[in-house]
Amino acid sequence: AQSVTQPDIHITVSEGASLELRCNYSYGATPYLFWYVQSPGQGLQLLLKYFSGDTLVQGIKGFEAEFKRSQSSFNLRKPSVHWSDAAEYFCAVGRSYNTDKLIFGTGTRLQVFP
Amino acid sequence: NAGVMQNPRHLVRRRGQEARLRCSPMKGHSHVYWYRQLPEEGLKFMVYLQKENIIDESGMPKERFSAEFPKEGPSILRIQQVVRGDSAAYFCASSPRGPSGQSRGETQYFGPGTRLLVL
Repeated sequence: AQSVTQPDIHITVSEGASLELRCNYSYGATPYLFWYVQSPGQGLQLLLKYFSGDTLVQGIKGFEAEFKRSQSSFNLRKPSVHWSDAAEYFCAVGRSYNTDKLIFGTGTRLQVFP
Repeated sequence: NAGVMQNPRHLVRRRGQEARLRCSPMKGHSHVYWYRQLPEEGLKFMVYLQKENIIDESGMPKERFSAEFPKEGPSILRIQQVVRGDSAAYFCASSPRGPSGQSRGETQYFGPGTRLLVL
């Protein structure tokens, strides 16, 4: 069965520091992978996605993620965090047999200190 | 181009009442997905609909929950006889196409959600 694991429930970084959020998935074939961000009380905004091709994908707000098939990972990175990046980040996998329902991880809450 | 619209944004119901949540997909989108987010958890898939068809309802509770997406109008998620455990945020997402051959994996765009509180 498909599953997504985000090992870090809560991460705290200083503004300007680099960031890496971990995501591991379990899926039998090449998955479609997504990162979404959710600000408090808001909906989900797509940061980036991987369907095929170049394994390093660029997203909005300066985020990038790298698909590593050998490690079943799709970690999200940003070289320099801004205070406005504080939010909840969700990794998701798609592409089941007859539906594109997404399977979400439990999320990582990011706090940014000045 | 307006995004996915959901209303109401907040809904309070007493136990035993009915809750109706509405979702208007983005213009040109004919596929709708409903997800539920319990407090401190990630989103869980509930149901996938196309116009007038339920495609996948594997995530829907067997009782009290139903969903529809009529030919005209928004998609509706209906919860009958609500209980406190139904308190959650319910998100709708839409995509322009569904899974089929070359068009698999269309991005889902999420609405702002409806926060349901059952007293």
